[in-house]
Amino acid sequence: AQSVTQLDSQVPVFEEAPVELRCNYSSSVSVYLFWYVQYPNQGLQLLLKYLSGSTLVESINGFEAEFNKSQTSFHLRKPSVHISDTAEYFCAVRNFGNEKLTFGTGTRLTIIP
Amino acid sequence: DAGVIQSPRHEVTEMGQEVTLRCKPISGHDYLFWYRQTMMRGLELLIYFNNNVPIDDSGMPEDRFSAKMPNASFSTLKIQPSEPRDSAVYFCASNEQGSGYGYTFGSGTRLTVV
Repeated sequence: AQSVTQLDSQVPVFEEAPVELRCNYSSSVSVYLFWYVQYPNQGLQLLLKYLSGSTLVESINGFEAEFNKSQTSFHLRKPSVHISDTAEYFCAVRNFGNEKLTFGTGTRLTIIP
Repeated sequence: DAGVIQSPRHEVTEMGQEVTLRCKPISGHDYLFWYRQTMMRGLELLIYFNNNVPIDDSGMPEDRFSAKMPNASFSTLKIQPSEPRDSAVYFCASNEQGSGYGYTFGSGTRLTVV
């Protein structure tokens, strides 16, 4: 069975500072990896995904994540955050050949003006 | 497409009452998932369907919970009888096999059992 660990439950960051949200996964088979974002009182929205190919994936709003197979990690980064990035971020993993997504416990990103 | 549609958005009910949550997946999606989100337990997968057939219901908490998908465009999650510990946000999501796009989530139903 697959699992996801997000060690940081809350991350406060000053506006325009860089941020990294950590995600580690465990699986006995090859995986797909995802980051979802949840704004207050809303459902989850797909932020970016790694399926295959380049290990560095990017979103349209400046976030990026890098798949590191040796470290079983998929950390999310942004070089300069904005107030509008305040949200909860969930890392998720899916095994090849299985449609079931397993989520981490989430990281609440708070931007300090 | 209007996305995944859930109803109601909010539900307040008394302990012991029956609660029914509804979900309309995206047309053409062949997978449907029900998740529950709480502060204590995060996002938990309750059950998922493929082509209207339940595939994995190991996350359903107990016999008080049941889910159905009578056709490709509708699913229900029922709790009978409801208890205060069932208070949570319940999300429905759908996906098309092999699309690689991840799930599309509904806006959720916030259930409060008093």
